[in-house]
Amino acid sequence: DTEVTQTPKHLVMGMTNKKSLKCEQHMGHRAMYWYKQKAKKPPELMFVYSYEKLSINESVPSRFSPECPNSSLLNLHLHALQPEDSALYLCASSQVRAGSAEAFFGQGTRLTVV
Amino acid sequence: AQKITQTQPGMFVQEKEAVTLDCTYDTSDPSYGLFWYKQPSSGEMIFLIYQGSYDQQNATEGRYSLNFQKARKSANLVISASQLGDSAMYFCAMREQGDGYALNFGKGTSLLVTP
Repeated sequence: DTEVTQTPKHLVMGMTNKKSLKCEQHMGHRAMYWYKQKAKKPPELMFVYSYEKLSINESVPSRFSPECPNSSLLNLHLHALQPEDSALYLCASSQVRAGSAEAFFGQGTRLTVV
Repeated sequence: AQKITQTQPGMFVQEKEAVTLDCTYDTSDPSYGLFWYKQPSSGEMIFLIYQGSYDQQNATEGRYSLNFQKARKSANLVISASQLGDSAMYFCAMREQGDGYALNFGKGTSLLVTP
């Protein structure tokens, strides 16, 4: 099973709403990531979790709050977002070493903030 | 500083022809991994091929091969016998310890395969 599952696939939310994005993998990967991707741009790293601990926060605004409840799950809690936060949010997982081919992405959540 | 450079914003290739997508990288880590992903308009990132920094041979996966020139720090993707379904965005990416093993992406190359 080389699958990373993200839910929901699409999300429309108002600027005052609170919502969460979910990501799940069962490959035994101990590193999980959130990326943000705007149209026609490469994915931009937001957060890195290594062994369920936040290891990298790429200066992401506090309206985005990550959570890693266990080694298989990664959440991204959203609150008071802005229209410019509309993007494709991608979750990925991998082994915790550079010399490994195992780095897989979920299908992404297309977020629209209205 | 940009760690992954893709200099071709867009490429055209005729069906059944081969095409090379360029990628150069910059790192001082001896251990790193290089990846190519395909992203169709649906948005999913599809893993194509991987090359480890210590791998002696160039990676191949079906119609995809990676031309790895370590001294020149280049990792070009070669797609043989292009198909219409190959039309997509292609990203070169690198993993190294310094970034928590996260993938750092180039800006991508948009490939259009024509009949």
